[in-house]
Amino acid sequence: GAVVSQHPSWVICKSGTSVKIECRSLDFQATTMFWYRQFPKQSLMLMATSNEGSKATYEQGVEKDKFLINHASLTLSTLTVTSAHPEDSSFYICSASTSGTLYNEQFFGPGTRLTVL
Amino acid sequence: DAKTTQPPSMDCAEGRAANLPCNHSTISGNEYVYWYRQIHSQGPQYIIHGLKNNETNEMASLIITEDRKSSTLILPHATLRDTAVYYCIVRLNQAGTALIFGKGTTLSVSS
Repeated sequence: GAVVSQHPSWVICKSGTSVKIECRSLDFQATTMFWYRQFPKQSLMLMATSNEGSKATYEQGVEKDKFLINHASLTLSTLTVTSAHPEDSSFYICSASTSGTLYNEQFFGPGTRLTVL
Repeated sequence: DAKTTQPPSMDCAEGRAANLPCNHSTISGNEYVYWYRQIHSQGPQYIIHGLKNNETNEMASLIITEDRKSSTLILPHATLRDTAVYYCIVRLNQAGTALIFGKGTTLSVSS
């Protein structure tokens, strides 16, 4: 089956620093990648959708200058949380999909736990 | 995308069938019903999906009513490892369309 990895699996950083999270599709080419955020005891919230080689489309209320998304290749997307603050502490999950399949499946990574001190 | 309604929580005894309901009364004709689950602190895991026919795979069965306004996910023999949040999502079968998650049902399987 299709595998999506994320790195790192967890990160702790100081307030004001930037953190980069990588999302990779290991055995398929992902034309579209999605980034979600999940706070404790809540559901996944879609942050943005990115297509390879294009600018990401952000959901309402998500600051594009704070959450920088790059999807430079068909197997890698990165999310950079700039000037992180404690309220950005969350579980960040990426998913990837590829066109050309019958059902346009979406495959999820294992998530990255970000803690901002 | 149509919205779904699920009970917030359900309990099930180990070895028994778990039947998780989902209402999607505003589903459109070309929207599929997807089920995912999320075990604590992990990424969501695909379970099954369908359009209008009942579906079965190695994990579960999906029963969709004839009018497609509701569905039921069936785990035939629940185990402790099936304890998770289960999400019912309706979505167009279209490249680049994101899955939008509701609150889901927390299934607790106990021995």
